Amino acid sequence: EIVMTQSPATLSVSPGERATLSCRASQSVSTNLAWHQQKPGQAPRLLIYGASTRATGVPARFSGSGSGTEFTLTISSLQSEDFAVYYCQQYNDWYTFGQGTKLEI
Amino acid sequence: EVQLVQSGAEVKKPGESLKISCKCSGYTFIDYWIGWVRQVPGKGLEWMGIIFPGDSTARYSPSFQGQVTISVDKSINTAYLQWSSLKASDTAIYYCARRGSAEYWGQGTLVTVSS
Repeated sequence: EIVMTQSPATLSVSPGERATLSCRASQSVSTNLAWHQQKPGQAPRLLIYGASTRATGVPARFSGSGSGTEFTLTISSLQSEDFAVYYCQQYNDWYTFGQGTKLEI
Repeated sequence: EVQLVQSGAEVKKPGESLKISCKCSGYTFIDYWIGWVRQVPGKGLEWMGIIFPGDSTARYSPSFQGQVTISVDKSINTAYLQWSSLKASDTAIYYCARRGSAEYWGQGTLVTVSS
C-alpha cells in the first residue's frame, strides 16, 4: 500500500498570508495526486487533481505542484473560508489519503 | 450538474444489517467508477472500495474486503454499500465519490451502531 504523509499536522496562518502544505508518497505516484478540502460538518471537496490542475470553480489562489513522491498545495492569500482540513490522495496504485493538515487561524 | 445524493442517517444495533445508497445524476452513470470512503468522527478519510456500474466490477481495500459489499442498480443510477452484520466499530460517516480521484462527493451518511 502506498502511504501518504502530510506535513505539518496543523498549520497556523493569518488571513492574507501564504500557506504551504506538503504531501509525501512512500513510492512514486507520478502526478496521480489530488487535494481535497473539508470544512467542519461538510463533505470533502476536490480542489486539485493531476497534482496541479484546479477543479471547476476552485479559486486561482489555490495551486498544486510536484510529481513522483513530493507534492505541495499552496494557498497564496488566505481567506477566512480557506480555514479547513486538507487531504492529499493518490490514485496511481489503488487509493490512499494522507492523514490531513488542519489549517487554522 | 453532477450530483451524488446519499440516503439519510441510520441508527442500528450490533449484528443488524444495513444498506445505504448513493443516487447519481447529471451524467452517464455507467461510465464512471463510484467509490466509498469511510470517516470515523474526528478522524481522516479511508478508501473502502470502488465499483464500475457498467459491469458491476467491484474492488475492495484489504481492510474492508469481506466486511462490506458494494453494488449498483443501473436502472435507477444508484450505488449501494451494505453490511450483513454491523459492529460498533462501523460507526462513521460514509461518503460516495465519483471516480478514484473523488472528483465529486456525496453529502455523507452517518451510521451509528450502538446497543
